[in-house]
Amino acid sequence: DAKTTQPPSMDCAEGRAANLPCNHSTISGNEYVYWYRQIHSQGPQYIIHGLKNNETNEMASLIITEDRKSSTLILPHATLRDTAVYYCIVQETSGSRLTFGEGTQLTVNP
Amino acid sequence: NAGVTQTPKFQVLKTGQSMTLQCAQDMNHEYMSWYRQDPGMGLRLIHYSVGAGITDQGEVPNGYNVSRSTTEDFPLRLLSAAPSQTSVYFCASSYSGGGAYYNEQFFGPGTRLTVL
Repeated sequence: DAKTTQPPSMDCAEGRAANLPCNHSTISGNEYVYWYRQIHSQGPQYIIHGLKNNETNEMASLIITEDRKSSTLILPHATLRDTAVYYCIVQETSGSRLTFGEGTQLTVNP
Repeated sequence: NAGVTQTPKFQVLKTGQSMTLQCAQDMNHEYMSWYRQDPGMGLRLIHYSVGAGITDQGEVPNGYNVSRSTTEDFPLRLLSAAPSQTSVYFCASSYSGGGAYYNEQFFGPGTRLTVL
């Protein structure tokens, strides 16, 4: 599975959009980009995933560059409850072996 | 559905003791996994299973055993606890079907283990 690089921490004002970047320059053609988050001490929670098209669901939007070497997770209107560690993971569709890095600690400030 | 459940929530062991961490899911998922998370770090895969009767090692399997006799249960056994196994343990499950959607993993609430 390809390696990902994320900034260790980011801040965001409540109500503003939070844009979390992820670099995955060695991604291969059959690997998807997944985003999970972990709110303090809880189990990780799935957010969104994509292959090459932009994706949106009720939680977030995922923007993947055309060359697929980087992506951005967008939380359109961040709330205090979005404060968490966000993990960007690149994985093939088969199997269930997620490889977690250290993620980005997002702090949403009032 | 209860989702993924783990017991106990907290456990303190002495060095050399053995114990079993329980994990169960009621979503009929074929894939189940165990991860450990040390302070300030991401999760690391210990063991995983792609179905009843089938298990394999992950990134950090030493000191742990698993078995999968049913689809629902995936217990993790610590054979002889060591202080280095002090960690938070998460169990996860997912579908095995084709397509990326089915690889969304559902995580349990975790077991916080301290080995003295």
